[in-house]
Parts: sequence; C-alpha cells; structure tokens
Amino acid sequence: DAKTTQPPSMDCAEGRAANLPCNHSTISGNEYVYWYRQIHSQGPQYIIHGLKNNETNEMASLIITEDRKSSTLILPHATLRDTAVYYCIVRVAGSYGGATNKLIFGTGTLLAVQP
Amino acid sequence: DAGVIQSPRHEVTEMGQEVTLRCKLISGHNSLFWYRQTMMRGLELLIYFNNNVPIDDSGMPEDRFSAKMPNASFSTLKIQPSEPRDSAVYFCASSLRDRNSPLHFGNGTRLTVT
Repeated sequence: DAKTTQPPSMDCAEGRAANLPCNHSTISGNEYVYWYRQIHSQGPQYIIHGLKNNETNEMASLIITEDRKSSTLILPHATLRDTAVYYCIVRVAGSYGGATNKLIFGTGTLLAVQP
Repeated sequence: DAGVIQSPRHEVTEMGQEVTLRCKLISGHNSLFWYRQTMMRGLELLIYFNNNVPIDDSGMPEDRFSAKMPNASFSTLKIQPSEPRDSAVYFCASSLRDRNSPLHFGNGTRLTVT
C-alpha cells in the first residue's frame, strides 16, 4: 500500500473550517484514500473515503486532486469535540471475497481545536 | 447496534501470567482485526480474519501471541506468557468483507504488565 505524509499537528479555531492535508504521491490507480480519526482514549472512527471524485458526508468533505497525489479533509465547522488525531490511509480496493481489506495506520495529524 | 465490544477495558497483570482479551463483533460483520497501539510504534495491525479464517498474521510479534475466532461473532487474543513490553492498548475492529467496507473499532483494552 502507498505511504502517506501528514503534518504532525495543526490548530484550528472553533467554528472555522479545518483543512487537513495529506500527500500520497505514490498512490496506485486502484487505491482509495481513507480518513479516520482517534479521539483520546477511544478507538479510531471512520470519517470518509474516496477514489478520485470529491466526497461529502455528514461529518466531512474529502477533496482529492486530479492527479490523486494529495487530498484534503475538510471539517466545515470545527468544534472542540473534533480535537483528535486524524489519519489519512491509502488502501487497495478489496474485491468481493478478496483478502485485502486491511488498514495500515501512519502517525496522523493531531488537530487541536481552540476555543 | 451496540458496536464492537471489548473486554476487559483495563487489565493489570504480572509478568509471566496469561492474558486473554475478548472482542464481540458487530452483528453481521465477517471480518475481524486486532491492532495494538503504543506511543513508540503507533497503531499496528497484528492479525485479521475473514469468515473466521486467519488471513494475515504477519503482525503478530511472537509465538507468545495467539488469536482465535471460536465463532462468527467472537474473538480472543491471548498472550502467554506476558511481558512488560506487551503493555499497550489493544483494539479490535470488525467490518463487512466487501469492497471498501469501513472498519468499526471497539474502545480498546489497556493492558499493563508489571
């Protein structure tokens, strides 16, 4: 699986948009970009994933560049409860019945939302 | 949906003792993953199963570690004998074994071996 590079930490003011970058310059055509977050003392939580189109759900938006070498996770209105470590992961698309659905975590970005 | 349930939440034991960590999958899920998290090494995948069958155990640190799925909804991770360097938070996660199904994690077991 391709490696990802994320800044170790970021700050964001409460109520503002948080934009978390991720570089994945060696990503392959069949690899998806996944985002998870881990709030202190809890297990990681799935946020969103995408292949090449931008994606949005109730938690966040995912913007993937046209060359797919980088992406940005956007939390549109950050709250104090969004303070967490955010992980960007690239993962080979698992075919039905295949055995490639594992996730390998990097070091992530610690997002601190400030009041 | 109760989510992935792990027990115990905390375990303190002495070096040399056997430790068993438990995990109940989300109903209907058929993939199970065990991870370990430490400050030094972050989140490491230890082993994962599809339909009760171990697929990749390359992350299991040594023979002292073993994992089983006695049925489709339950898994155990056993350490025998335990050592202080096994101290960590152990997470299990479950998912559907289909394309890109996200993993759902439990809240972990914090293991301390003295």
